[in-house]
Order: sequence, then C-alpha cells, then structure tokens
Amino acid sequence: NAGVTQTPKFQVLKTGQSMTLQCAQDMNHEYMSWYRQDPGMGLRLIHYSVGAGITDQGEVPNGYNVSRSTTEDFPLRLLSAAPSQTSVYFCASKRQGGKLFFGSGTQLSVL
Amino acid sequence: DAKTTQPNSMESNEEEPVHLPCNHSTISGTDYIHWYRQLPSQGPEYVIHGLTSNVNNRMASLAIAEDRKSSTLILHRATLRDAAVYYCILRDIITQGGSEKLVFGKGMKLTVNP
Repeated sequence: NAGVTQTPKFQVLKTGQSMTLQCAQDMNHEYMSWYRQDPGMGLRLIHYSVGAGITDQGEVPNGYNVSRSTTEDFPLRLLSAAPSQTSVYFCASKRQGGKLFFGSGTQLSVL
Repeated sequence: DAKTTQPNSMESNEEEPVHLPCNHSTISGTDYIHWYRQLPSQGPEYVIHGLTSNVNNRMASLAIAEDRKSSTLILHRATLRDAAVYYCILRDIITQGGSEKLVFGKGMKLTVNP
C-alpha cells in the first residue's frame, strides 16, 4: 500500500490563481481530512469528510473548497489564492475509529 | 469541545527517560486520549492512545491519571530520532461513527540533547 499520497510536493502560485491539491489513499478509509500548518501555529483543520459525498468544515475553512466523489480521493481547491494561504498542507485519512495516517505534505507559496 | 494543554517545549538527554505532560481537565467520559508526533519535515504519525488504563506499545507508554484530567507520554530511552513536536488530542468515541473534528493544536516541541 502507498498509504496517503499528496501531489504536488511543492507549488508556487500568484495571488488570484486557482489550483487543486490532490490527496489519494489506498487503504479504503472512510475518513479524510486536510490540515494546514504555519510556523508556530501547529496543525489547523480545514475540511474533513466521513465518506463519499459527505464533507464538513474544520477550524479554518474559508478560501478552500472540497468534494468527496470517491472513497479514495479528497482534493482541496483554492479558488483564488491569497498570500495568507502560504503554508504546508497535510492530508490525512483513517478508518472508522482508527488512527490517522498523514501524507508527506504540500508546501504552497502564494506570491 | 474538550481541549488539551501542553508545555510549549521540553528538553531531554539522549538515552534518558522523558515524561511529556498533557492536561485535559474538561475531558468527558467518552474521550480517548491520543498522542501523535511530527518529526522534522514530515507529516504527523500516531504514537499511542488510551481511555482509562495505562498503555504500552513499542514506541512509548501512556500513563493516565485516575481522574483522567491529565496524562503523561513516557519515552523510556529518548533517542535523537525522538526529537519532534508531540501532540496530545482527545477523540470522542461516540462520534467516531459520524462527524469527527480532530483538532491538533500547537503541540509540544521535544529537543533531545546528545
């Protein structure tokens, strides 16, 4: 199993551009989530999903959209990137009641 | 939501035991205590979890106070590889079948001196 795979690993955007961070897991986990990590801020939950077709907001959802059309994939969309969205993004997944598995992260810079 | 409180940072020496504290005074009876850690430039990884009894695994031990308002993660012999940010979080077992916000917070940075 590859676990949780995030792409790309690095991305530079200009303010106002849009992009999608990809996250895929091959463990048949129902639960998937996105976090962002800024220096000194720890991990902050953006959005999460408990199954295909179901998503919900976390602590810092503004500026981000998600959808969950399949069990395997949980993309994170930035519709109009802002410098405040410069961060490291982590995707995670777990089965019901299980432990979280994290991807290796995407480092995003918005200029 | 019940929250946890950890020191911002701790230091230990290599090959010595280290005790990482976590306070969760508003914990409910259905909250599990979970610990994760994040090595430099990596995503977090699971360490251990427990409900009421002390727990041991190959990575660490978890000691839970009798009133469950605090817990301690114990690394029996710290190594340089244990230098990481450690997160103590609470997970409600009732919501595990439905919506579940897993909030990590800032965690605690452990420095291991050679």
